[in-house]
Amino acid sequence: DVKVTQSSRYLVKRTGEKVFLECVQDMDHENMFWYRQDPGLGLRLIYFSYDVKMKEKGDIPEGYSVSREKKERFSLILESASTNQTSMYLCASSTLGRTDYVEAFFGQGTRLTVV
Amino acid sequence: LAKTTQPISMDSYEGQEVNITCSHNNIATNDYITWYQQFPSQGPRFIIQGYKTKVTNEVASLFIPADRKSSTLSLPRVSLSDTAVYYCLVGEGNQGGKLIFGQGTELSVKP
Repeated sequence: DVKVTQSSRYLVKRTGEKVFLECVQDMDHENMFWYRQDPGLGLRLIYFSYDVKMKEKGDIPEGYSVSREKKERFSLILESASTNQTSMYLCASSTLGRTDYVEAFFGQGTRLTVV
Repeated sequence: LAKTTQPISMDSYEGQEVNITCSHNNIATNDYITWYQQFPSQGPRFIIQGYKTKVTNEVASLFIPADRKSSTLSLPRVSLSDTAVYYCLVGEGNQGGKLIFGQGTELSVKP
């Protein structure tokens, strides 16, 4: 079974703190994603990585950065957390066309509260 | 990436067939159509993907007309456990790449 593991289920941080959200996948997937999900707004893509050290901005990258030093690990960094970054954060990974279809696998999510 | 439009919400009753339609007028030639399901407090999970005509698996069917400007996810004989948000995505499904989710359709199945 593919597993995408996010380091924390719940996290509470203070405004201005630097926050690291970690995601690890065990299926040698090339692609990894970070999304945030807010009520009424669906899932919004923050960053996408298609290989080690490669990244692309998603729809809402402002206030975030990412790091992918190893294929299995994709980190989301909030340089200076703000209250408007309180949200559910979801990590996902997917293959790169090795099968007839591409399926993304998601982690359980990290509910981040910035106070 | 083609934008998708789906109904915000739908209601159904147990045992009924549910059809959720997604509009994607700007779909490109090499785009695939993919549907995901999300339960509360969980990440989305893949349901089905197709390029044209009809695709069926153990969970659902996907109907895609010849012009591919829309698609319909069909859930046969829904149960209470099918209550979830359903997302339609359009993109280069068999090549990987970005996955852009819309707002999804919140399906509520009642007894």
